[in-house]
Amino acid sequence: QQQVKQSPQSLIVQKGGIPIINCAYENTAFDYFPWYQQFPGKGPALLIAIRPDVSEKKEGRFTISFNKSAKQFSLHIMDSQPGDSATYFCAATAANFGNEKLTFGTGTRLTIIP
Amino acid sequence: KAGVTQTPRYLIKTRGQQVTLSCSPISGHRSVSWYQQTPGQGLQFLFEYFSETQRNKGNFPGRFSGRQFSNSRSEMNVSTLELGDSALYLCASSPGLPGVAFFGQGTRLTVV
Repeated sequence: QQQVKQSPQSLIVQKGGIPIINCAYENTAFDYFPWYQQFPGKGPALLIAIRPDVSEKKEGRFTISFNKSAKQFSLHIMDSQPGDSATYFCAATAANFGNEKLTFGTGTRLTIIP
Repeated sequence: KAGVTQTPRYLIKTRGQQVTLSCSPISGHRSVSWYQQTPGQGLQFLFEYFSETQRNKGNFPGRFSGRQFSNSRSEMNVSTLELGDSALYLCASSPGLPGVAFFGQGTRLTVV
């Protein structure tokens, strides 16, 4: 059962473009939504996260948009660079005490071409 | 601070064998989680330990088990290995903040 659906599976964008990765969730108990970035041969690393009471969050060139009623959220990368080429995972968790479980989307392999 | 350390980095095992993977979390982190990463299934949660107790468990068969020691280091064991167990096994330690996990580089297990 895939509780967090992520699309697209892969994405190729020209340098300077704005890749957009979309995620949708089903479990209304989820209340915290982080994004992780993974480079080949490395473990995932936390990139940015959002709570559902916020519609948008920016950190540097990375922006998360959140639509609580649609149960959807997305990652935008402004002014994308070749160094942003990586696999991106959206995730969800119920941020109550005693729960560290992350439910991940299936990942998006992003390639930024010069 | 040193990051999450996983050993070994690579393992090749034969079907039917068992394997133990090790994880040293970031100093001060008491929560350690394990994930299986495969091309087909993505990142799947195995289990989480906190203060030597299993606090959460994913949907994996009983062949997958783990434990945590008093110094927060954790081990994961897979018994009676199957070809489908070939995967990257990732350990993550958490400081207790929601959604925040620091991952190691993983152990690449190949079952032949």
